[in-house]
Amino acid sequence: ETGVTQTPRHLVMGMTNKKSLKCEQHLGHNAMYWYKQSAKKPLELMFVYSLEERVENNSVPSRFSPECPNSSHLFLHLHTLQPEDSALYLCASSQDQVAPYQPQHFGDGTRLSIL
Amino acid sequence: GNSVTQMEGPVTLSEEAFLTINCTYTATGYPSLFWYVQYPGEGLQLLLKATKADDKGSNKGFEATYRKETTSFHLEKGSVQVSDSAVYFCALTPSNTGNQFYFGTGTSLTVIP
Repeated sequence: ETGVTQTPRHLVMGMTNKKSLKCEQHLGHNAMYWYKQSAKKPLELMFVYSLEERVENNSVPSRFSPECPNSSHLFLHLHTLQPEDSALYLCASSQDQVAPYQPQHFGDGTRLSIL
Repeated sequence: GNSVTQMEGPVTLSEEAFLTINCTYTATGYPSLFWYVQYPGEGLQLLLKATKADDKGSNKGFEATYRKETTSFHLEKGSVQVSDSAVYFCALTPSNTGNQFYFGTGTSLTVIP
């Protein structure tokens, strides 16, 4: 079983729909992340959870709402999205600990298209 | 602040050519440094890492050396293959926290037969 699993792999939704992206990690990590990857743009960090507490919110619009019910699961709830929100959404996990610091492990992403 | 700068792409090489992708960083203290690779339709995969100065990370024929004096972590491979075609990302995590990661913009590599 892969370390970080994201579902669905592809999602097409209208601007008025509500949907959720799911991420599950099987690595025993205690930190999870959401990134947005758009064509021709740098990877954008959206949210960071460590020990199930949100530790970073990078000025993300409120139409994106994260949820981390436990250290293995992370959700991104979507509501009233805009066409510019079409992108690849990547989930990652890592072990947040004292040095030496550990790398992130990524899922394969959800390709989101907003009609 | 913390940041990573890597060379612009795209890079196109012939099979068996030598590869260098430059990466320099700005950080306080002694960050940990990483190279990730992203194949089409997939997420990022850790390629190699180095956690202290002069460390050399290596994997699948790729190497990178943590140079504190030049704040660099250049990726090299002596002989690329078509299967190495992907986007490569340099990244760091600062020395004072284990949950912050800073990525470069990515360099696209295409290897032609």
